[in-house]
Amino acid sequence: SQQGEEDPQALSIQEGENATMNCSYKTSINNLQWYRQNSGRGLVHLILIRSNEREKHSGRLRVTLDTSKKSSSLLITASRAADTASYFCATVSPNGMRFGAGTRLTVKP
Amino acid sequence: DAGVIQSPRHEVTEMGQEVTLRCKPISGHDYLFWYRQTMMRGLELLIYFNNNVPIDDSGMPEDRFSAKMPNASFSTLKIQPSEPRDSAVYFCASRTGTGVPEAFFGQGTRLTVV
Repeated sequence: SQQGEEDPQALSIQEGENATMNCSYKTSINNLQWYRQNSGRGLVHLILIRSNEREKHSGRLRVTLDTSKKSSSLLITASRAADTASYFCATVSPNGMRFGAGTRLTVKP
Repeated sequence: DAGVIQSPRHEVTEMGQEVTLRCKPISGHDYLFWYRQTMMRGLELLIYFNNNVPIDDSGMPEDRFSAKMPNASFSTLKIQPSEPRDSAVYFCASRTGTGVPEAFFGQGTRLTVV
């Protein structure tokens, strides 16, 4: 990827379980965002965390940011089959918005 | 607003032909991004514009690729001549320069060069 790596590359869980995805990046950032992509579609913004924030919540989503380690995590609680998609982190800096390699999440009903 | 609009949705062309991809950003957005997505390389930022001015084109793979933004409501990405390795999904995205900087993506153009 252009900016960093996400792990795992693929994650398969049962409905109701929590899903955690991690993102590491390389450069200084203004903010970090998470996006979702359904197969064959464009990306959709989920949540943003600024560089001076450590944790943020939105519904079933929880994002953390550790700027000292240049890493972030996305937690989806009580997953649903409809959460099946690819999830990408994006770092925003003066040289643009760059994405990680993504995590392919499969939630089995 | 109808969102970011890209055209065409699908393009199949022969190697050596010129390809032009089009994007209409959301009205009022100051930033426009072009990305290329492949299985091997993921989502690559090719170029982005701020107020119609190209800011960073370091991701443009080679001279065969060029992008323009003649006005705030239209941008093009041109590949000339096209090669099979250019086959990918090309996304355009836009965002505002104020407020929450979330990007809005178009549906993408799936390009196949045979």
